[in-house]
Amino acid sequence: DAGVIQSPRHEVTEMGQEVTLRCKPISGHNSLFWYRQTMMRGLELLIYFNNNVPIDDSGMPEDRFSAKMPNASFSTLKIQPSEPRDSAVYFCASSTARPTFGSGTRLTVV
Amino acid sequence: AQSVTQPDIHITVSEGASLELRCNYSYGATPYLFWYVQSPGQGLQLLLKYFSGDTLVQGIKGFEAEFKRSQSSFNLRKPSVHWSDAAEYFCAVGGESYGKLTFGQGTILTVHP
Repeated sequence: DAGVIQSPRHEVTEMGQEVTLRCKPISGHNSLFWYRQTMMRGLELLIYFNNNVPIDDSGMPEDRFSAKMPNASFSTLKIQPSEPRDSAVYFCASSTARPTFGSGTRLTVV
Repeated sequence: AQSVTQPDIHITVSEGASLELRCNYSYGATPYLFWYVQSPGQGLQLLLKYFSGDTLVQGIKGFEAEFKRSQSSFNLRKPSVHWSDAAEYFCAVGGESYGKLTFGQGTILTVHP
């Protein structure tokens, strides 16, 4: 079991650029979650999918954020255009009964 | 709305001492409760979880937690802390969608030799 795999581990981009974060969930897990961690706000749920269908995106901060899950083994979180306040660590987690987190992507927008 | 409060932002203990990290939750139904640990620059590792049954749950690394419904608490304990336990600890509550968790703000644990 390779766990939840996120890429890239680190991303530095300029304000206004498009950023795409990727996640491969654990095989067999039917739920996938995107969280964001910042010093100010802690860990926040952005969006989650069940069986590849978005269920709750109420945590997505703005229209600049979008997430897709085209199949059971892949999900993306896209920010377009990126802003410095988007700098954070973004975690993907997958779950059946035991939520398992990836190692995160540390995003820095300069 | 569900919420989690971890009253202690930072706790310092000596190696070998006992540890208790506090967690209080608010949830409208039967909660699913979790404790995660995060080392600097790392992801979150699940220590233990409570879904139902025995209110004292055992986890990895010698940790345990006790669910007390009357106090809306799920405190994490360890009888003897090791230097490698220094990290940040998060309590979380969820419902039937197991990964849709609400996290506390975390407690940073420092261990003195």
